[in-house]
Amino acid sequence: NAGVMQNPRHLVRRRGQEARLRCSPVKGHSHVYWYRQLPEEGLKFMVYLQKENIIDESGMPKERFSAEFPKEGPSILRIQQVVRGDSAAYFCASSPVGESSGNTIYFGEGSWLTVV
Amino acid sequence: TQLLEQSPQFLSIQEGENLTVYCNSSSVFSSLQWYRQEPGEGPVLLVTVVTGGEVKKLKRLTFQFGDARKDSSLHITAAQPGDTGLYLCAGSGAGKSTFGDGTTLTVKP
Repeated sequence: NAGVMQNPRHLVRRRGQEARLRCSPVKGHSHVYWYRQLPEEGLKFMVYLQKENIIDESGMPKERFSAEFPKEGPSILRIQQVVRGDSAAYFCASSPVGESSGNTIYFGEGSWLTVV
Repeated sequence: TQLLEQSPQFLSIQEGENLTVYCNSSSVFSSLQWYRQEPGEGPVLLVTVVTGGEVKKLKRLTFQFGDARKDSSLHITAAQPGDTGLYLCAGSGAGKSTFGDGTTLTVKP
């Protein structure tokens, strides 16, 4: 999957705890995307970030969810006060430039969050 | 909101059969991608189509982009058990990809 690294691969949290998912994009890629996938469903767009900027967060729930892509370090998807409905696979993807220019995005192998 | 509908949702066939998966939308996309995803892994890109009417072939897989760039199809010839997986189409535009819900293909030996 072209070097997008996600960790942890699997995360178990109790209801009310916080979940932090990390994504290191392909070296040289400055655009990061987060998607969520429920069982037997496609990927749902959550947020699109460039370094230090959120470009589009139209798919992010308004509460408890936040994302960042700092100048240094990985992109972080943070879920506060998790509930069972947050259980899903969260995929990160990256591209060298924005998708509107026709470049394809490359996916990591995902982080599976289970809320118990 | 751009929506992509994939059909069929589930498909179970015998080895050697042919199949076609469809991806339809009312929206125009600048490009369209097909991915294959196996359980526990991320989607892996199969092909990107950009030009209306474009046809691309990848061994036994044939991808077609509609003339109006609103729909696409994936045709597999002589399916093999190794083709089993979730096939996702994604339309690119406005800075993000919109995914269909996928077609789960099972090829029985």
